[in-house]
Amino acid sequence: QKEVEQNSGPLSVPEGAIASLNCTYSDRVSQSFFWYRQYSGKSPELIMSIYSNGDKEDGRFTAQLNKASQYVSLLIRDSQPSDSATYLCAVNVIGGGADGLTFGKGTHLIIQP
Amino acid sequence: EAGVAQSPRYKIIEKRQSVAFWCNPISGHATLYWYQQILGQGPKLLIQFQNNGVVDDSQLPKDRFSAERLKGVDSTLKIQPAKLEDSAVYLCASSLGAGPYEQYFGPGTRLTVT
Repeated sequence: QKEVEQNSGPLSVPEGAIASLNCTYSDRVSQSFFWYRQYSGKSPELIMSIYSNGDKEDGRFTAQLNKASQYVSLLIRDSQPSDSATYLCAVNVIGGGADGLTFGKGTHLIIQP
Repeated sequence: EAGVAQSPRYKIIEKRQSVAFWCNPISGHATLYWYQQILGQGPKLLIQFQNNGVVDDSQLPKDRFSAERLKGVDSTLKIQPAKLEDSAVYLCASSLGAGPYEQYFGPGTRLTVT
């Protein structure tokens, strides 16, 4: 049974600071890792994808992956009030055709102006 | 590029009634997924299609849920009969194919079963 664990929060961060969101997963064969942002009442929006160990940067967002520790994180620099949302971590296994995502419950992030 | 389209956006039905949801994926996307998101939870995969074939339906409650993607493009998810615990948002997602591709979600259909 694949599991993805996230701290549900809320995580409160002052505007302009760095928000750090963490995720652990149980299935060692997981190969693809994704961060989605979900505003209340809206559907998940893809923020970042990462497939290999290390860091991947895209604008204010940095995803970090450590497969040995089964850990993936998302850093948001210069946090803005518009970043306030629930952040969902998702993982999947590729190969064999079936690659549906397994999601965590999400971390509720609040950016305080 | 148009995103994933879903309809209806909202639906309220009584328990034991039936309901159907429709999804049209991003043009050119071969893989289509249906997820169920219960309030406060992350989405849970119900079924995955590759073109018009089912790849994974291991978490689909087949006694009441069915889905089809007849021409390899749009898809329909049906619930019959609905139960109270089916109240959730039903999300459709698509990707270029099975493999290391990103999945993009539609706006979802919010179902309330009374």
